[in-house]
Amino acid sequence: GQQVMQIPQYQHVQEGEDFTTYCNSSTTLSNIQWYKQRPGGHPVFLIQLVKSGEVKKQKRLTFQFGEAKKNSSLHITATQTTDVGTYFCAGKGRSGNTGKLIFGQGTTLQVKP
Amino acid sequence: DTAVSQTPKYLVTQMGNDKSIKCEQNLGHDTMYWYKQDSKKFLKIMFSYNNKELIINETVPNRFSPKSPDKAHLNLHINSLELGDSAVYFCASSFSAAGEKLFFGSGTQLSVL
Repeated sequence: GQQVMQIPQYQHVQEGEDFTTYCNSSTTLSNIQWYKQRPGGHPVFLIQLVKSGEVKKQKRLTFQFGEAKKNSSLHITATQTTDVGTYFCAGKGRSGNTGKLIFGQGTTLQVKP
Repeated sequence: DTAVSQTPKYLVTQMGNDKSIKCEQNLGHDTMYWYKQDSKKFLKIMFSYNNKELIINETVPNRFSPKSPDKAHLNLHINSLELGDSAVYFCASSFSAAGEKLFFGSGTQLSVL
């Protein structure tokens, strides 16, 4: 079945450093979504990418969708303590229309002030 | 007003008991989901309902029985609770079953002793 792998599992950075998490799918995706979960909280939708090679920015966050629509990345420039949390990618396969999103294992980001 | 609300927030119970978690969304969405998040933060879909009809039923023990009395509500009943059922259970909703962004509830932390 479809699998979505995310690396790294954990990342500790000094405040002001950059951070990147990578997401790889075993199958071609119709879209990919990113979510952020703060400690003790629930996942919150950040963005959805649909087109091959798409790049979207939200302030210090840059999201990319690979040309083959099988991988994606989230890059945070100059991390702040408010960026702490677990970042999940979630991919929807191209077959079927049941809305079944497969989540990656998540990357937990710690930011040291 | 909370968009997706689930109760209770915490549930501590003994092995072998039966318990229910309730979820309600006031977003007018057609599709609702139950996700299980284990201790390693892995998010796994369990069930999905679209307009009260079951559309996703993952490999979940039949001790878990979802019920959707109407499209705004999705409840989860668990029979004969086991230690391995301890996790955070998230309810979520989306506009339709086509895989749009998910709105998550705040989660129910289930601890089976």
